[in-house]
Amino acid sequence: QQPVQSPQAVILREGEDAVINCSSSKALYSVHWYRQKHGEAPVFLMILLKGGEQKGHEKISASFNEKKQQSSLYLTASQLSYSGTYFCGTESPGSNNDMRFGAGTRLTVKP
Amino acid sequence: NAGVTQTPKFQVLKTGQSMTLQCAQDMNHEYMSWYRQDPGMGLRLIHYSVGAGITDQGEVPNGYNVSRSTTEDFPLRLLSAAPSQTSVYFCASSPLLAGTTDTQYFGPGTRLTVL
Repeated sequence: QQPVQSPQAVILREGEDAVINCSSSKALYSVHWYRQKHGEAPVFLMILLKGGEQKGHEKISASFNEKKQQSSLYLTASQLSYSGTYFCGTESPGSNNDMRFGAGTRLTVKP
Repeated sequence: NAGVTQTPKFQVLKTGQSMTLQCAQDMNHEYMSWYRQDPGMGLRLIHYSVGAGITDQGEVPNGYNVSRSTTEDFPLRLLSAAPSQTSVYFCASSPLLAGTTDTQYFGPGTRLTVL
């Protein structure tokens, strides 16, 4: 079952903040966030593990609510370079590295 | 390091033809995977491997075969191409981290069109 992302798209002005949400109907072991620019490959942003461990970029923050099976990605003081499509990927306990990605959130940052 | 390389970058096939998409990584990663991405959609896992000699099916494995004879290479075979397999294919590799997939490094992708 693929995770559900919201919103589907968001438009910001430089300097504004945004939150992208990812929710799953299954118990989660880990949540992974990637950004993809048009015509390019996805690039890693962050991993959040059950139990609280996190790994990722210094300028990006995220949360993982294990009980609600949800994660949120926080983009603060957005820059033009933040534009792209953000994907969350999830792994469930016992899934043996079978990762499922959401449909993506398209973020556009305007000057 | 070259990272993750994929060949070819573009390919056009006729229905029923077979072909192999190549993927190689030079980072000594245990985990390798193949995804397809259709327009406006996320990545869907086709097959993955956690080490040489070990492969497993992902979300959409039908019509595709894989093998992992070495740590470095993970080719994806299309057995009999169908128009529904028109897509962009990404290969990725990562270390394994505490039972989960770590940072995945994606290759540049292969754009496949099946006529």
